[in-house]
Amino acid sequence: GAVVSQHPSWVICKSGTSVKIECRSLDFQATTMFWYRQFPKQSLMLMATSNEGSKATYEQGVEKDKFLINHASLTLSTLTVTSAHPEDSSFYICSAIEGAAYNEQFFGPGTRLTVL
Amino acid sequence: AQRVTQPEKLLSVFKGAPVELKCNYSYSGSPELFWYVQYSRQRLQLLLRHISRESIKGFTADLNKGETSFHLKKPFAQEEDSAMYYCALSAGGGNKLTFGTGTQLKVEL
Repeated sequence: GAVVSQHPSWVICKSGTSVKIECRSLDFQATTMFWYRQFPKQSLMLMATSNEGSKATYEQGVEKDKFLINHASLTLSTLTVTSAHPEDSSFYICSAIEGAAYNEQFFGPGTRLTVL
Repeated sequence: AQRVTQPEKLLSVFKGAPVELKCNYSYSGSPELFWYVQYSRQRLQLLLRHISRESIKGFTADLNKGETSFHLKKPFAQEEDSAMYYCALSAGGGNKLTFGTGTQLKVEL
């Protein structure tokens, strides 16, 4: 149980286009989902916290107009990278939790975004 | 702001040798500490958390508030322990995690 999927697993796009990444909790309802970014050989950096039915909370330095997050249902959150540029190329990882604080985060497999 | 430090990028040990992966943190309140593991080509998964005080796959970690450390230990390393290990901190009663930079553990035969 407690599986989180991401789609696509990798995507290549041209500079200036927008890319949508989906994060789904397959066998539980995720009250909260998180979006992380990971550069090669570096740690995971939290980008935003996504709560179902409300606006996402972005970490300092993350442009909310650049990285649009929607959490329209208890099993789906989407991250849209708008007007992508080569510097947005990265590994994007989502995680999901069920219920209250201190619950375990279950991680998705990640999405590799390459912007040409 | 909280911070997690893992001083070693790579730790190489022989099979059967003891392992200690270091983790230090800075946070003014009472944190919750975690160790996450990522095996080759697999997703990140929780290994253990300090409030559980349990041993998982032979690994243990004790929160030392005086030294602000949460080192991960295993008395006898196994080949299957080779993986990337991340220490993480959750502060203030929420679920947001701050990750360290990770330590690659390589267990050699």
